[in-house]
Amino acid sequence: ILNVEQSPQSLHVQEGDSTNFTCSFPSSNFYALHWYRWETAKSPEALFVMTLNGDEKKKGRISATLNTKEGYSYLYIKGSQPEDSATYLCAPHAGGGADGLTFGKGTHLIIQP
Amino acid sequence: DAGITQSPRHKVTETGTPVTLRCHQTENHRYMYWYRQDPGHGLRLIHYSYGVKDTDKGEVSDGYSVSRSKTEDFLLTLESATSSQTSVYFCAINPTGSYEQYFGPGTRLTVT
Repeated sequence: ILNVEQSPQSLHVQEGDSTNFTCSFPSSNFYALHWYRWETAKSPEALFVMTLNGDEKKKGRISATLNTKEGYSYLYIKGSQPEDSATYLCAPHAGGGADGLTFGKGTHLIIQP
Repeated sequence: DAGITQSPRHKVTETGTPVTLRCHQTENHRYMYWYRQDPGHGLRLIHYSYGVKDTDKGEVSDGYSVSRSKTEDFLLTLESATSSQTSVYFCAINPTGSYEQYFGPGTRLTVT
């Protein structure tokens, strides 16, 4: 079982502001890192899968970076909108194959109009 | 929605009764997973399957069993439900060759 830390646990951001949060994970035996977006009463939705040190991924106003040597990933949201309110989960994946994921407890983001 | 359905979507049952949750997929994916979601714990892996009759335990497998007799169905059974198994249960699939997992709509189970 991987030790996955996400910070902060919750975050209130004013609409229009940019924000970021962190996922920390063991750097040994790294295979991939997943970011998911999870709205209340819905199922988690895949945002990014990142595999290489220095990877950067972008989808609209959301982007992510990966540092496998030091074991962290940042998720950035630019110009936050109310629809960005959700819990953001990260899940590092150690080893190959298609084993199940170990998720962090998430960052709960609330965008205030 | 990656062609995943879960049934039932909601269930209330009594302590000590057996319960089976079903995950059904329409796209012949090899890998399937069961997670539970609890406040303060996030999503935790219960069991997973890498093919028909091939299953393995996850982080929180105690009190649960699974079966996969057909590619399209992955069943999660609580042999004797307890109140600690009150949770939302998510099924997920991993399309062969893809890193990503896609989640079903979830089943809310309440054990009274």
